[in-house]
Amino acid sequence: SQQGEEDPQALSIQEGENATMNCSYKTSINNLQWYRQNSGRGLVHLILIRSNEREKHSGRLRVTLDTSKKSSSLLITASRAADTASYFCLQGAQKLVFGQGTRLTINP
Amino acid sequence: NAGVTQTPKFQVLKTGQSMTLQCAQDMNHEYMSWYRQDPGMGLRLIHYSVGAGITDQGEVPNGYNVSRSTTEDFPLRLLSAAPSQTSVYFCASSPGSPETQYFGPGTRLLVL
Repeated sequence: SQQGEEDPQALSIQEGENATMNCSYKTSINNLQWYRQNSGRGLVHLILIRSNEREKHSGRLRVTLDTSKKSSSLLITASRAADTASYFCLQGAQKLVFGQGTRLTINP
Repeated sequence: NAGVTQTPKFQVLKTGQSMTLQCAQDMNHEYMSWYRQDPGMGLRLIHYSVGAGITDQGEVPNGYNVSRSTTEDFPLRLLSAAPSQTSVYFCASSPGSPETQYFGPGTRLLVL
């Protein structure tokens, strides 16, 4: 299977703390994308990082990419209750596959 | 722009029935795809298309057919529904691949 792996599968933290989730993949990539899904709804694109980039920021989000280790991480800083969701990485060329996701819960 | 639209929003089928899930986009995107998401799980790729007239299989294509006669539409056909196909189905599109995917709201399918 081309599907990557994400860890942890679930993460529960206090509001204001930082959350880090990781994605590993198996094949060479052109880019890697991160998405958020709230309670089984549609997916929202968060950030895309290209294979020649090592780090990318968007607001409170920071994504890193290590192509030598075939892994990426998503850091959410100063978490809020609204960040409670599932987070997925997406990778591939034409056949785009998702990781299994990380369920993030932010406790007030 | 309506973006990516999916119909119906919810459907109940009996085992053995066939149906078509509709997906349309008005962004002139070349790449379209179908995913299924089982409860508490990630999304698995069923079929994808890189342009009109071109389709290919994803991770879990068995039991599903697709065609792409126009750039705008990418219907997913269930040939003979089975309870194992109970899932939420998401359609996505993008200008090309791999680029940012735009997702529809999903179709919730229950097969009894």
